[in-house]
Amino acid sequence: DVKVTQSSRYLVKRTGEKVFLECVQDMDHENMFWYRQDPGLGLRLIYFSYDVKMKEKGDIPEGYSVSREKKERFSLILESASTNQTSMYLCASSLGTYNEQFFGPGTRLTVL
Amino acid sequence: GEDVEQSLFLSVREGDSSVINCTYTDSSSTYLYWYKQEPGAGLQLLTYIFSNMDMKQDQRLTVLLNKKDKHLSLRIADTQTGDSAIYFCAESMEDGGSQGNLIFGKGTKLSVKP
Repeated sequence: DVKVTQSSRYLVKRTGEKVFLECVQDMDHENMFWYRQDPGLGLRLIYFSYDVKMKEKGDIPEGYSVSREKKERFSLILESASTNQTSMYLCASSLGTYNEQFFGPGTRLTVL
Repeated sequence: GEDVEQSLFLSVREGDSSVINCTYTDSSSTYLYWYKQEPGAGLQLLTYIFSNMDMKQDQRLTVLLNKKDKHLSLRIADTQTGDSAIYFCAESMEDGGSQGNLIFGKGTKLSVKP
């Protein structure tokens, strides 16, 4: 079974802190994705990557950056956390074009 | 632009059938997906349908695709309380610069009453 893990299930940070969310997949997938999920807004794509060291902006990249130094790991970085970044963050991976995305369990981030 | 729409809530009684509907805009989508999200968890793929099919059945789940109307539905037969969750419809993007990207609907929260 494909496994996508995220470093934390729950995280509480203060405004202005730098926050790292880590995602690891164990199936040698090419593509990895970061979404945030908010009530009434569904899933919104922040960034994605289709290869090591490659990254593309999604629909809402402002305030975020990403890093993909190794194929299995995709990190989401909040350079200076703000309260409006309080959300559920979901990581996903997929093998290639048109393939299903496999999701991690999510990280619920609260910024105080 | 691309958009996937679905109703936000559905309530059914245990044992009844549930039908969750979805409309999408990209007529060139190759795959359409249904995901389930239980409380506090990530999304789990339930089923998918290739765009040249009009129906797919998998145990209690039936997916119907009307490509002409760009309408997708998920029917859950004999709905159980364990089916209570948020169900997301998603379409694959055909844009060559976004391979592997999916467009998700906002999700339909299914509540099953005993």
